[in-house]
Amino acid sequence: QVQLVESGGGVAQPGGSLRLSCAASGFTFSTYGIHWVRQAPGKGLEWVAFIRYDGSNKYYADSVKGRFTISRDNSKNTLYLQMNSLRPEDTAVYYCARKLANWGLDCWGQGTLVTVSS
Amino acid sequence: QSALTQPPSASGSPGQSVTISCTGTSSDVGGYNYVSWYQQHPGKAPKVMIYEVTKRPSGVPDRFSASKSGNTASLTVSGLQAEDEADYYCSSYAGSNNLIFGGGTKLTVL
Repeated sequence: QVQLVESGGGVAQPGGSLRLSCAASGFTFSTYGIHWVRQAPGKGLEWVAFIRYDGSNKYYADSVKGRFTISRDNSKNTLYLQMNSLRPEDTAVYYCARKLANWGLDCWGQGTLVTVSS
Repeated sequence: QSALTQPPSASGSPGQSVTISCTGTSSDVGGYNYVSWYQQHPGKAPKVMIYEVTKRPSGVPDRFSASKSGNTASLTVSGLQAEDEADYYCSSYAGSNNLIFGGGTKLTVL
């Protein structure tokens, strides 16, 4: 079945870095754009970034632009999110989700928790 | 871009219908037919219920329907069931390759 599994979350200090991964299975990963969405504890959803199926275009929320980088390796069916210059307000569960039609998201992973704290 | 505006809470009795609104601007909800709705149970990942304003993915019950008028989108849940109790989020394309979400609505089945 279609599945996305995030990993790489953990605790980082302010100003530090983390790299999240999202492993895909059950579908042709190389033909789908993928989003990252985050959810701070007890808060709502916030879109973070999107990458086209072939990696040719990448889009970011203003809140992470210049600090986060989305990438993918279609040979490994894996999506990445490199997070640098982390801030306490980046603390959240990070989900990867498959693109559905125009700016919809189907098939979400279970999420990975990132905590930014000293 | 600011988040879309949703009521914090909504409720209804089993069998009843409830409608959740999602208000944006002409730059997002009103400007594009790219509104989606997501259901999220506690501790779980969101699940898409509606995309492109009115389209229902396969497997989503037809008790869930949606519409849009001007800058406001709406999700209606008919024939409420206990398992519909969850948080619901709307999202909309906001131009310039940006996606925004609403603040979420907690739906309680009385």
